[in-house]
Amino acid sequence: DVKVTQSSRYLVKRTGEKVFLECVQDMDHENMFWYRQDPGLGLRLIYFSYDVKMKEKGDIPEGYSVSREKKERFSLILESASTNQTSMYLCASSLRGGAKNIQYFGAGTRLSVL
Amino acid sequence: GEDVEQSLFLSVREGDSSVINCTYTDSSSTYLYWYKQEPGAGLQLLTYIFSNMDMKQDQRLTVLLNKKDKHLSLRIADTQTGDSAIYFCAERPASGGYNKLIFGAGTRLAVHP
Repeated sequence: DVKVTQSSRYLVKRTGEKVFLECVQDMDHENMFWYRQDPGLGLRLIYFSYDVKMKEKGDIPEGYSVSREKKERFSLILESASTNQTSMYLCASSLRGGAKNIQYFGAGTRLSVL
Repeated sequence: GEDVEQSLFLSVREGDSSVINCTYTDSSSTYLYWYKQEPGAGLQLLTYIFSNMDMKQDQRLTVLLNKKDKHLSLRIADTQTGDSAIYFCAERPASGGYNKLIFGAGTRLAVHP
């Protein structure tokens, strides 16, 4: 079974703090994704990576950056957390070029910025 | 542009069938998906359908695809309390070079006795 692990289920941070959200997958997937989920808005793509050290902006990259130094690990960074970044963050991974393109998700990190 | 729309809430009685509907805009989408999210958890793939099919059945789940109307539905037979969750419809546009998926806002299914 594919396993996508997010390092924290809940995080509480203060405005202005630098925040790191970590995600690890164990299936040697090339693609990794970071989404945020807000009620009524569904999932919105923040950033994705299709290979080590490669990244592309998604639909809402402002205020975020990412790091992919190893194939299995994809980090989301909030350089200076703000209250409007309070949300549920979901990491996913998938095979590159897989016809079905099934994305496998972690359990999510619920971030509160006070 | 690409967009996926779903109603936000559905309430059904235990034992009845549930039908969750979804419309999408990209007629070139190759695959369409249903994901389930239980409270406090990530998304879990329930089922998917290839765009050249019009129906797929998997135990209690039936997916219907109407390509002409760009309409996708998920029917859950004999709905149980364990089916209470948020259900997300997603499409894979043909133009998504990095295997992009477009998700709807999710339909919250509440099952009551």
